[in-house]
Amino acid sequence: DAGVIQSPRHEVTEMGQEVTLRCKPISGHDYLFWYRQTMMRGLELLIYFNNNVPIDDSGMPEDRFSAKMPNASFSTLKIQPSEPRDSAVYFCASSWGVSEQFFGPGTRLTVL
Amino acid sequence: GENVEQHPSTLSVQEGDSAVIKCTYSDSASNYFPWYKQELGKGPQLIIDIRSNVGEKKDQRIAVTLNKTAKHFSLHITETQPEDSAVYFCAAYSGSARQLTFGSGTQLTVLP
Repeated sequence: DAGVIQSPRHEVTEMGQEVTLRCKPISGHDYLFWYRQTMMRGLELLIYFNNNVPIDDSGMPEDRFSAKMPNASFSTLKIQPSEPRDSAVYFCASSWGVSEQFFGPGTRLTVL
Repeated sequence: GENVEQHPSTLSVQEGDSAVIKCTYSDSASNYFPWYKQELGKGPQLIIDIRSNVGEKKDQRIAVTLNKTAKHFSLHITETQPEDSAVYFCAAYSGSARQLTFGSGTQLTVLP
């Protein structure tokens, strides 16, 4: 298996632009997680899905953030409009059951 | 919710020496404790985990211990090698919160 795949690996955008991050989980996994990593706040869980259904989005910082999982092999995290404080590394992770999570390589987002 | 504290934040050891990283958690309902290794520019990688019905687990040079009464768990790396240099994260899974909570990370440097 190729592991969790994320794209793009790097994204540089200007404040106010829409940003879409993509994730392909490991085949057969039923949970998908979106995390954000910053020096100040460490690894934060933003949202997670079970069988494509959002279960807990309490970590989503504000309404500018949205996530979807239209099918078992694809998820997106969208930020609209983006702000400089959104600059971070965003990770997608997947698991069979909620505990043993496998992380993707991350997307480094820079908002100018 | 769950709170995980990790110490130390940085650790330098000589090659061949042992390294110990410690974490404490707050939610007595937490029952799964994974450790992740994150190399520069990569996503966290699961290296070992332990469940609450076990006190110790070993995998070659890596071991994890769990003290449920005191609510702390530790990662032990023996015979350290330069390739062990990375950031290590502990985490605790709370069944009540149904999510992993991560510690703040330890930057381990193995000096040749």
